[in-house]
Amino acid sequence: AQSVTQPDIHITVSEGASLELRCNYSYGATPYLFWYVQSPGQGLQLLLKYFSGDTLVQGIKGFEAEFKRSQSSFNLRKPSVHWSDAAEYFCAVAASGYNKLIFGAGTRLAVHP
Amino acid sequence: GAVVSQHPSRVICKSGTSVKIECRSLDFQATTMFWYRQFPKQSLMLMATSNEGSKATYEQGVEKDKFLINHASLTLSTLTVTSAHPEDSSFYICSARDVGNTIYFGEGSWLTVV
Repeated sequence: AQSVTQPDIHITVSEGASLELRCNYSYGATPYLFWYVQSPGQGLQLLLKYFSGDTLVQGIKGFEAEFKRSQSSFNLRKPSVHWSDAAEYFCAVAASGYNKLIFGAGTRLAVHP
Repeated sequence: GAVVSQHPSRVICKSGTSVKIECRSLDFQATTMFWYRQFPKQSLMLMATSNEGSKATYEQGVEKDKFLINHASLTLSTLTVTSAHPEDSSFYICSARDVGNTIYFGEGSWLTVV
């Protein structure tokens, strides 16, 4: 069965520091992978997606993610974090037949000034 | 980018009544929409997949008669919580899939049943 693991429940970084949020997936075929961000009480905003091609994907707000098939990972990175990046981040994989998204548990990011 | 709109963003209803939440894709046609429920500080739980012109596909454990889903057009899906109870209070989020297989989410709807 498809699954997504986000090992870090909470991460705290200082403003201006680099960030990496981990995501590991379990899926038999080539997955469709997504990262979404959710601010408190809000819906989800798509940061970036990977379907095929270049394994380094650029997204909005300065985020990028790298698909590594050998490690079954799709980690999200940002070189310099801003205070406004504090939010909940969800990694998701599209299940077989692309009928639905399977979400990870989420990583809550706090940013210290 | 693509926009998915939900209405209402917040609703309070009395126990025993029904409440309808709308999900619209504003600038694209969505043959498939999804309804999620999210409890505080938790991830999203898929409730059902809504396909235009056909019956929704519900996830295991989701009551079909309680959470009625209608996908009447390529831009509109509705979730009706029937005979609502306080335990139905939650954050409900819809999403819609475009022809390029990207899934966009609405802003969510807070339901409080008193």
